[in-house]
Amino acid sequence: EAGVTQFPSHSVIEKGQTVTLRCDPISGHDNLYWYRRVMGKEIKFLLHFVKESKQDESGMPNNRFLAERTGGTYSTLKVQPAELEDSGVYFCASSQDLRGTEAFFGQGTRLTVV
Amino acid sequence: AQTVTQSQPEMSVQEAETVTLSCTYDTSENNYYLFWYKQPPSRQMILVIRQEAYKQQNATENRFSVNFQKAAKSFSLKISDSQLGDTAMYFCAFSPGATSGTYKYIFGTGTRLKVLA
Repeated sequence: EAGVTQFPSHSVIEKGQTVTLRCDPISGHDNLYWYRRVMGKEIKFLLHFVKESKQDESGMPNNRFLAERTGGTYSTLKVQPAELEDSGVYFCASSQDLRGTEAFFGQGTRLTVV
Repeated sequence: AQTVTQSQPEMSVQEAETVTLSCTYDTSENNYYLFWYKQPPSRQMILVIRQEAYKQQNATENRFSVNFQKAAKSFSLKISDSQLGDTAMYFCAFSPGATSGTYKYIFGTGTRLKVLA
């Protein structure tokens, strides 16, 4: 069974440009999460989808970030326009159930804004 | 607010020895879930062990065990008979219980563990 996959694995963009990250969750997992880790700090929650609906987007830093999950399958996270402080590793995770179950993580996308 | 603290940024241990990674957390909830995740170099995070707060018995998975002290809000991970493959970044995480309106994980800053040959 394929795990959670994320594309690209690395991205270097200039300040002001747009970047779109993609996450393919494990098939059948209704719950999809985005997290971000800034260098040396904790992994922080960004948002949570249940199927195609946003269950919790309390962690989204500002309106330059837009997440979608059309059809309840893969998800995209767009940053437009990117700023220097957006640099970090973006993780996607999926889970089958809601409460207290294991979340399966992707390898992450390392985003560098220069 | 719920927080998770890992006070050891880096640790090392000799192969075959035992090491303990510390984690403390803060919450006002009575029921919740705690996790240790491991991220090997250039690999994805995988679950090491999971503990439900309402269970008093400490979780164990082969060489990995936890010391869960609910009153002290402490959740340390013990790795016995350390192997080179245990070299990784270890993250402690908290997930709220049924009374919370959120399902997100709250992570600590991680402990980088290096197992020495």
